[in-house]
Amino acid sequence: KAGVTQTPRYLIKTRGQQVTLSCSPISGHRSVSWYQQTPGQGLQFLFEYFSETQRNKGNFPGRFSGRQFSNSRSEMNVSTLELGDSALYLCASSLVPRQGALAKNIQYFGAGTRLSVL
Amino acid sequence: DQQVKQNSPSLSVQEGRISILNCDYTNSMFDYFLWYKKYPAEGPTFLISISSIKDKNEDGRFTVFLNKSAKHLSLHIVPSQPGDSAVYFCAALKPGNTPLVFGKGTRLSVIA
Repeated sequence: KAGVTQTPRYLIKTRGQQVTLSCSPISGHRSVSWYQQTPGQGLQFLFEYFSETQRNKGNFPGRFSGRQFSNSRSEMNVSTLELGDSALYLCASSLVPRQGALAKNIQYFGAGTRLSVL
Repeated sequence: DQQVKQNSPSLSVQEGRISILNCDYTNSMFDYFLWYKKYPAEGPTFLISISSIKDKNEDGRFTVFLNKSAKHLSLHIVPSQPGDSAVYFCAALKPGNTPLVFGKGTRLSVIA
């Protein structure tokens, strides 16, 4: 069974540009979450999608957006790039969103897209 | 405000000895905890988890202990192997539809 696939693996952009990152979840997984990893902040939650609907959003500016398609694949977009957006962007998938208190919910991560903004 | 804290950025352990990675949390609403391991150029890989109704969960060389009164959990790796060298992230979940909250990670180096 293929894992979570993220493309591209590496990306170099300049300030002011926009970028789109792609994530294909594990087959059968319908929930996709995105995280930003930076050395100083660790993994910060961006958003979660399930059935093409955004279910959760982290504390990031509106320049960060995402969507999910009917086949559960997801994209995230960052507009008007800033130097501080340089980070590793990780996508994670799970079968469905967490199903309640004490419920197990394992997210499986892709290898990430390393974005460098110059 | 950091709700999940891993206060040791790094840890070095001799091969064959025990590795103990610590994690503290501030939000008593967390009811499920996970540990992930991350190698360079790879995404985090799920390692082991524990729900708040338990105080210990064991899987092979890995054991997670939860002390709810102290809001503290720890991951024990026995015996440590060079392949365990990685960054370990502690993560927590609250009930309902809320995202994983991660600590900043601890880099474990197992020295042969």
